[in-house]
Amino acid sequence: QKEVEQDPGPLSVPEGAIVSLNCTYSNSAFQYFMWYRQYSRKGPELLMYTYSSGNKEDGRFTAQVDKSSKYISLFIRDSQPSDSATYLCAMSARDTGRRALTFGSGTRLQVQP
Amino acid sequence: KAGVTQTPRYLIKTRGQQVTLSCSPISGHRSVSWYQQTPGQGLQFLFEYFSETQRNKGNFPGRFSGRQFSNSRSEMNVSTLELGDSALYLCASSLAPRASGPTDTQYFGPGTRLTVL
Repeated sequence: QKEVEQDPGPLSVPEGAIVSLNCTYSNSAFQYFMWYRQYSRKGPELLMYTYSSGNKEDGRFTAQVDKSSKYISLFIRDSQPSDSATYLCAMSARDTGRRALTFGSGTRLQVQP
Repeated sequence: KAGVTQTPRYLIKTRGQQVTLSCSPISGHRSVSWYQQTPGQGLQFLFEYFSETQRNKGNFPGRFSGRQFSNSRSEMNVSTLELGDSALYLCASSLAPRASGPTDTQYFGPGTRLTVL
């Protein structure tokens, strides 16, 4: 079983919809949680970075972390066709010296105009 | 500020050959990490360099190696290429104010797409 599980999709929604993307994880040492967006043939682009449990909002994007359930989410409000991409969750442990990310497999999102 | 740059962007090699990929981090960033991305395995951590020293290593065979120069630029090398090494190789840099510490924000380059025939 993978340390981080993510539904691969594809997820297809109409423009303006609220999108919910999720990841579950098994390693209780994970403390840092990130969401990256990756367009085809490009490198991942950081969207959100959160530490421990709670919510963080940035424009149309909201990240939620529930450490008790080992579950993280990314919500996209008023989705746009330009949001069509693969969304990757990533996380890392707090142990010092380990600067490495563990990624989910990515969810492909298509926003239909 | 310029982002992470990787060269070359595309490479075609044959089995048994070796390859060297290059990464220039964002100016001022001291840590460089390498990842392999494939459709089957997703994004997997290869190794991380800080101050010219490998700090962390993922679960890859010894054919995969790297180094970092005094200006933080990094190279990775894959020897004796196998078909399964075909992948997008991504480099990420982070500020890393200290040699060890929690993960800070990692910024990715566009990647080098390696095809092994």
